[in-house]
Amino acid sequence: DIQMTQSPSSLYASVGDGVTITCRASQSISSYLNWYQQKPGQAPKLLIYAAFNLQSGVPSRFSGSGSGTDFTLTISSLQLEDFATYYCQQSYTSPFTFGPGTKVDIK
Amino acid sequence: EVQLVESGGGLVQPGGSLRLSCAGSGFIFSQYWMTWVRQAPGKGLEWVAGIKQDGTEKLYVDSVKGRFTVSKDDADKSLYLQMDSLGVEDTAVYYCARVRTGRGYDYWGQGTLVTVSS
Repeated sequence: DIQMTQSPSSLYASVGDGVTITCRASQSISSYLNWYQQKPGQAPKLLIYAAFNLQSGVPSRFSGSGSGTDFTLTISSLQLEDFATYYCQQSYTSPFTFGPGTKVDIK
Repeated sequence: EVQLVESGGGLVQPGGSLRLSCAGSGFIFSQYWMTWVRQAPGKGLEWVAGIKQDGTEKLYVDSVKGRFTVSKDDADKSLYLQMDSLGVEDTAVYYCARVRTGRGYDYWGQGTLVTVSS
């Protein structure tokens, strides 16, 4: 199975800050990498698919990059509604594993 | 509007069974892979199972193989997860989601809680 890791596991930031979250796969997954945002008590929401494609309706302050084994999610200027947990997921091969998550908290 | 609504969760004893349902609307159900993802209390997301559009291919995470069965009924626009031999480690919120092949899971249900406890 492909193992997904994320760093950091949590971070504190202020409104307006830029934030970068890293995701690493245990083997190459080409660009088959998706990012989700989850708020407490809610279902996950798709932000980025295929490494860098913005899902419809997602603000342009979110961006993704990377290929192979190393990927990043960047939030250019944090807004209050962005404080949440972020998960990466590989869709290269079954089982379609998720990373452990990165919690973004208010500083 | 695309909607997915799960049902069937509840409290079950270890070794018991439960059948989850996911009702889809607002899209052509037969044209999409569908999937189940779960989240144990306070934990991260875990992919559980997926089923191809025509039901001919079913995929499972190792920890549920032989115990869980995913199925779908296109006429009813419903996705199912039959869960047998449940253990305490299966306690989680179970989400169904629509798969856009190569484009992630674009719609999710609200989740249904399964609690396995004596």
